[in-house]
Amino acid sequence: QKEVEQNSGPLSVPEGAIASLNCTYSDRGSQSFFWYRQYSGKSPELIMFIYSNGDKEDGRFTAQLNKASQYVSLLIRDSQPSDSATYLCAVNNQGGKLIFGQGTELSVKP
Amino acid sequence: DTGVSQNPRHKITKRGQNVTFRCDPISEHNRLYWYRQTLGQGPEFLTYFQNEAQLEKSRLLSDRFSAERPKGSFSTLEIQRTEQGDSAMYLCASSSNRGQANEKLFFGSGTQLSVL
Repeated sequence: QKEVEQNSGPLSVPEGAIASLNCTYSDRGSQSFFWYRQYSGKSPELIMFIYSNGDKEDGRFTAQLNKASQYVSLLIRDSQPSDSATYLCAVNNQGGKLIFGQGTELSVKP
Repeated sequence: DTGVSQNPRHKITKRGQNVTFRCDPISEHNRLYWYRQTLGQGPEFLTYFQNEAQLEKSRLLSDRFSAERPKGSFSTLEIQRTEQGDSAMYLCASSSNRGQANEKLFFGSGTQLSVL
């Protein structure tokens, strides 16, 4: 079992729709959770982080965390073509490093 | 704040040659990380430093790979006797750790290595 798992996609949504990206992790002791966006040929860019169970909203982005289910998700409201990218889920497992999932490719169609 | 800087941006080498990459972290960051990423995969952890101390190295990392951060500022990653399987994007990231588990890593633009 991989430490952090994501559906690789691609996930295709129409412009203006809600995109839902999901991630599960295996280490119950994990404490902090991150979403990075990576455009093709570019490096990952931090867009959201969440530490506590529940929802955290920042503009069009909402991160959701359920530690009991070992599940974290990212919702993107009013999706735009510029949101088309690969979204990486990352987990801090109490060590000093982040463990990344394989990423979900999102395509927003005009 | 100039961000994380990596050099070179691209490196093409022949199999069996040695290569060295450099990373300059954000100036006030005391932690520095190296990751490797291949097409369609997420970044894979290689190693990280806190100041000049190398705190962890991936068990999957070949002994052909070595990293240093001699003065706790910039870091170098060397790959000896390169193999075609080493072809990847090598990403450096830095963070400011103040005893919290809440690491926020900021990445450089990466070095794309191609081994022919």
